[in-house]
Formats: sequence, structure tokens, C-alpha cells
Amino acid sequence: EIVMTQSPATLSVSPGERATLSCRASQSVSSYLAWYQQKPGQAPRLLIYGASTRATGIPARFSGSGSGTEFTLTISSLQSEDFAVYYCQHYNNWWTFGQGTKVEIK
Amino acid sequence: EVQLVESGGGLVQPGGSLRLSCAASGFTFSSYAMSWVRQAPGKGLEWVSTMIGSGGSTYYADSVKGRFTISRDNSKNTLYLEMNSLRAEDTALYYCAKKGFCGGAHCYFDNWGQGTPVTVSS
Repeated sequence: EIVMTQSPATLSVSPGERATLSCRASQSVSSYLAWYQQKPGQAPRLLIYGASTRATGIPARFSGSGSGTEFTLTISSLQSEDFAVYYCQHYNNWWTFGQGTKVEIK
Repeated sequence: EVQLVESGGGLVQPGGSLRLSCAASGFTFSSYAMSWVRQAPGKGLEWVSTMIGSGGSTYYADSVKGRFTISRDNSKNTLYLEMNSLRAEDTALYYCAKKGFCGGAHCYFDNWGQGTPVTVSS
């Protein structure tokens, strides 16, 4: 089973600053990597798939990069609505989520 | 607009059974693999099970294999999850999710329902 490890567990960022979230796979998942955003009391929302393709309606300040085992989600300038928990997920012949990174207001 | 509406959750005793449903609309249901994903209180997301569009192949997490059964009725645009031998650790919010645009069953989830809560407790 491929294990997905996200870091840090919590990221404290000021509005307008850049946030960089990491996701590491225990073995290569190629580019079969997605990122989701979840706000309290809401269902997860797809942000990025294929490691770097933004989903429909996702603002350009969200970008994804990486392949193989190392992936990054970057939020270029944090807006108030971006404070949430972010999950990575691989879908390379199975499905596993990371444990999540909480982005909180500094 | 894609809509996924889960139902059937509730309080059940350990060892009991429950059947969840997910009513889908806004897309050609039979063309897409559908999945269940759960989230224990205060915890992260855990993939549970997936069924391909035609209703053939099914996939299960080790934690539920042999106890949960996923099924679908494409004539009713509905996905099901039959849960037996329930344990306290199955307590969670259960989401249904639609497969995105990938060639095979293994894909990201591009639409999610709001979830139905399951509590396993005596």
C-alpha cells in the first residue's frame, strides 16, 4: 500500500502571503495525484488533478507541481476563504489520502 | 449540475447493519465509477470502496473488506453501501463521490455529496 505523507500538519500564514504544502508518496504514483480543500462542515472540493491541472472554477492562485513521489500545492496569495484543510490523494491503481494540512491564519 | 445526495445513516449498535444510499443527478450515472469515502470525527479522509459504471468490478479498503458491499442501480441512478458487522471504528461521515475524467476506474473524485453520518455505539 502506498502511504501519502503531508507536511506540515499545520501551516500558519498571513493573508496575502504564499503557502506551500508538501505531499510525499512512499513509492512513485507518477502524476496520479489530486489535491482537495475542505472547510469546516463542508464536503471536500477538488482543486488539482494530474498533479498540476486545476479543476473547473479553481482560481489561478492555486497551483500544483511534482511527479513521482514529491508533490507541492502552492497558494500564491492567501485569501480569507483559503483557510481550510488540504488533502492530497493518489489514484495510481488504488486510492489513498494524506492525513491533511491545516492552513490557519497567522 | 451534478448532485449527489446521501441518505441512510444513523445510530447502530456494534455488530449491526446499515444500508447507505446516494442519489445522483446531473450526469450519465452509468458511465462513471462511483465511490464511498468516509471521515471519522475530527480525522482525515479514508477511501472505502469503488464500483465501476457498468456495475462490474468493485474495490474495497482492507478495513472494510468482507463486511461492506458496494452496489448500484443504474436504472435509479443510485449507489449503495451495505455495511454489516459494524464496529465503533466505522463511526464516520460517509461521502459518495463521482469519478473524474480518467480512462480507468482509478481516478480522482470531482464531485462529492454532503455526507451521511454513521454512529456505531451501544
